[in-house]
Amino acid sequence: DVQMTQYPSTLSASVGDRVTINCRASESVSTWLAWYQQKPGKAPKLLIFDASTLQTGVPSRFSGSGSRTEFTLTISSLQPDDLATYYCQEYDTHSHIFGQGTKVEIK
Amino acid sequence: EVILVESGGGLVQPGESLRLSCRVSGFPFENFWMSWVRQVPGKGPEWVANINQDGSEVYYANSVRGRFTITRDNAKTSVFLQINRLKSEDTATYFCAREDCSGGSCPTGWFDPWGQGSPVNVSS
Repeated sequence: DVQMTQYPSTLSASVGDRVTINCRASESVSTWLAWYQQKPGKAPKLLIFDASTLQTGVPSRFSGSGSRTEFTLTISSLQPDDLATYYCQEYDTHSHIFGQGTKVEIK
Repeated sequence: EVILVESGGGLVQPGESLRLSCRVSGFPFENFWMSWVRQVPGKGPEWVANINQDGSEVYYANSVRGRFTITRDNAKTSVFLQINRLKSEDTATYFCAREDCSGGSCPTGWFDPWGQGSPVNVSS
């Protein structure tokens, strides 16, 4: 199976900061990649699909980029509500592999 | 409003069986693939199974093939996950999720929305 590696595992940033989360695939997944936000005790919520398409209703401060093996989720101006763990997920294979997550903390 | 509600989880002993249910409302259930995804606390989610619109195609993760069975009842707008010979490593919260469609093409491969989850604890 393809492996999805996210880094960093945890990051701490201040409100208003630009935050970048990375996801690396062990083999090319083209742009078949999604990003999710999960708040404590809740289900994951889709933010981005096809590597860079913002899901309807998701704030425009979230954006995605990348292709093949390197992907990035960017929060342009971190807000208190963005406290969460973020996961990437490939859907190039039928295994739908998720990354291990990046926890975003607010300083 | 799109709503997915899982039920059927709980504390079970190793070797026992369990049937999880997910009742759906708010969208044309019969038009969408559905998946089950599980998550161990502190870990990333793990996709375990999905099923096509009429139940004629099913797929499983290698880690569960042979013990898990996914089915659906479109009349009841529900999807089910039968888990046999439960192991301690099956302990997780189990979510049902819709696999979205895009431009008439299904499934897309991403999951939206998700239910609230049903915890399963396998322990003696």
